[in-house]
Amino acid sequence: IAGITQAPTSQILAAGRRMTLRCTQDMRHNAMYWYRQDLGLGLRLIHYSNTAGTTGKGEVPDGYSVSRANTDDFPLTLASAVPSQTSVYFCASSDTGQGSSPLHFGNGTRLTVT
Amino acid sequence: GQNIDQPTEMTATEGAIVQINCTYQTSGFNGLFWYQQHAGEAPTFLSYNVLDGLEEKGRFSSFLSRSKGYSYLLLKELQMKDSASYLCAVRDSNYQLIWGAGTKLIIKP
Repeated sequence: IAGITQAPTSQILAAGRRMTLRCTQDMRHNAMYWYRQDLGLGLRLIHYSNTAGTTGKGEVPDGYSVSRANTDDFPLTLASAVPSQTSVYFCASSDTGQGSSPLHFGNGTRLTVT
Repeated sequence: GQNIDQPTEMTATEGAIVQINCTYQTSGFNGLFWYQQHAGEAPTFLSYNVLDGLEEKGRFSSFLSRSKGYSYLLLKELQMKDSASYLCAVRDSNYQLIWGAGTKLIIKP
């Protein structure tokens, strides 16, 4: 079934540790996104990529990095985790990222930083 | 700054009709999306409006007024499975999506 796969589903991480959240899509979408979702707040964009080989910063990029080596994969790395990064992380993709092209979301990664 | 406002929570009765409002102030406008998100799950796409007026899709309809910066999602013949959060998002002049915090809809029998 075509879609977006995120891994892991959930993770408990000690503060100061490095962690990579994985995201793979098989829809050949050009644009990919990483969001975090916290209670009472809207989805907040961390980083995005409009096409393979390019990335950009979103609303809350500090403490996170991404890469887009190919169309399918868009990993998110926390270099040194802090408790404020406890959140649910959603990866999403969009065919063009413009017009009526909607975002398709993965099932999310629930991350707890202790 | 950019802002999207939605009610935090609404309650409705099974079989009834409910309207969820969304007002927005963004730098530019390139379309408005509604998503549904069940608890513990990913958001899923419901509707898209870019021109003024009503878009109908089965039991769900979405309305847009660009001059008023206003949209609503209308859900008819409510079912228990419609209990979820409904997210409003606007694509701004840079084609980035600005998200509201979502409206939690509770359906009572």
